[in-house]
Formats: sequence, structure tokens, C-alpha cells
Amino acid sequence: QKEVEQDPGPLSVPEGAIVSLNCTYSNSAFQYFMWYRQYSRKGPELLMYTYSSGNKEDGRFTAQVDKSSKYISLFIRDSQPSDSATYLCAMSVPPDTGNQFYFGTGTSLTVIP
Amino acid sequence: NAGVTQTPKFQVLKTGQSMTLQCAQDMNHEYMSWYRQDPGMGLRLIHYSVGAGITDQGEVPNGYNVSRSTTEDFPLRLLSAAPSQTSVYFCASSSERAELRGANVLTFGAGSRLTVL
Repeated sequence: QKEVEQDPGPLSVPEGAIVSLNCTYSNSAFQYFMWYRQYSRKGPELLMYTYSSGNKEDGRFTAQVDKSSKYISLFIRDSQPSDSATYLCAMSVPPDTGNQFYFGTGTSLTVIP
Repeated sequence: NAGVTQTPKFQVLKTGQSMTLQCAQDMNHEYMSWYRQDPGMGLRLIHYSVGAGITDQGEVPNGYNVSRSTTEDFPLRLLSAAPSQTSVYFCASSSERAELRGANVLTFGAGSRLTVL
């Protein structure tokens, strides 16, 4: 079983839709949860970051972490064609216990105008 | 700030050839790493370094060598290229971010696309 599981999609939605992207994980030691966005032929870039459980909102993006269920989500409201990209979830343990990052395989999203 | 710079962006090799992918960062990050990204496999860690003179293996180290003589540079060497090493390679660096409760957050380069024939 992989440490992090992510539905690869692809996901295709009309402009203005609400998008939900999800990852599950198995390691209860994960404390830091990140979402990276990767445009075609580019490197991943940090989109959202959450520490431990809870929600974090940044504009049209909301990241949720449910540690009891080992489940994280990224919601995109009022999706735009510019949101078309691959979204990677990532997790890590506290820095003093290691410096490893664990990535999902990525979900490809296309927002149709 | 340039961030993380990778060269070359594209490379075609023949089986058995060797080459070095270059990575440089100007953020004074202690931690640097190399990943490969393949369809359906996500990002897989090849090698990483927690500081100059210190390197360690990741998930898929076979066929690759690294060294870290300076904080800024972390080259990845392919010793004898094989078609299975056809991939997109990403270099990334990180440091603890106080504004993120001490978390390490990776900053990636733009990638190097390698094809081995």
C-alpha cells in the first residue's frame, strides 16, 4: 500500500464549477499537508499548506485536513480555465523526525470555458 | 531571485552514455533533492542531501550518483543511461519556514526532460 493515495482523474469540469480533489494516507505521523499545482511542462509550485487538522482558505481555494480519517481535500470555487493543471497532494513528518516528503500521483484537472 | 535552476531542459541520450543534470539554488537552502516524475507514478525521490558533504538515497537511487560539495549545487549523474531512465527530472530545495510552523516546503526547478534511446 502506498503511503499516499490520490485519484489520478482526469477531471473535466465547466467554468464556474466547484472542484473537489482528495487524498488519503496511511501514516499517522504526517503533520504537514500541502497541495502543489503543476502546469504542463512546468515544475510543481506550492498552492496551499495546512498544519495538522483543520481548514485553510485562500481566495477561491480551501484546504481541509481530517487526521482522524487520514483524508485531505482541496476545494476550488468558481473554477477558471487558468486552474487547468495537475494537482499533487504532499505530506511530511515533523522536521526533527525526518525530512521526507510523500506525494500523491496527482489529479489532472481541465476547466472548460 | 532565480530560485532553483536546472540545466539542461531537454536531453536525448543513447543507451550506455553518461551525463550530468545540473541543479543550483540561490536561496541558501540546506536541503536539496532529486525526483523523477513518470506517468501514473507521481514524484519519486532519487537522492537527497541535508547539507554540503552529506547525501543519502531515496526511493529509486539505482543508476544515479550525487554529490554535494557546496550548499548551492547538487548535480545528478547518470552513470550508464538505460531506456528505463527516460523521465522528467526535478530538483527541489527546502528550508524550515517559520511562518509555516517550522515546516519544510519544497521549491522545485522547472524540470529536465531526458529521453534514452
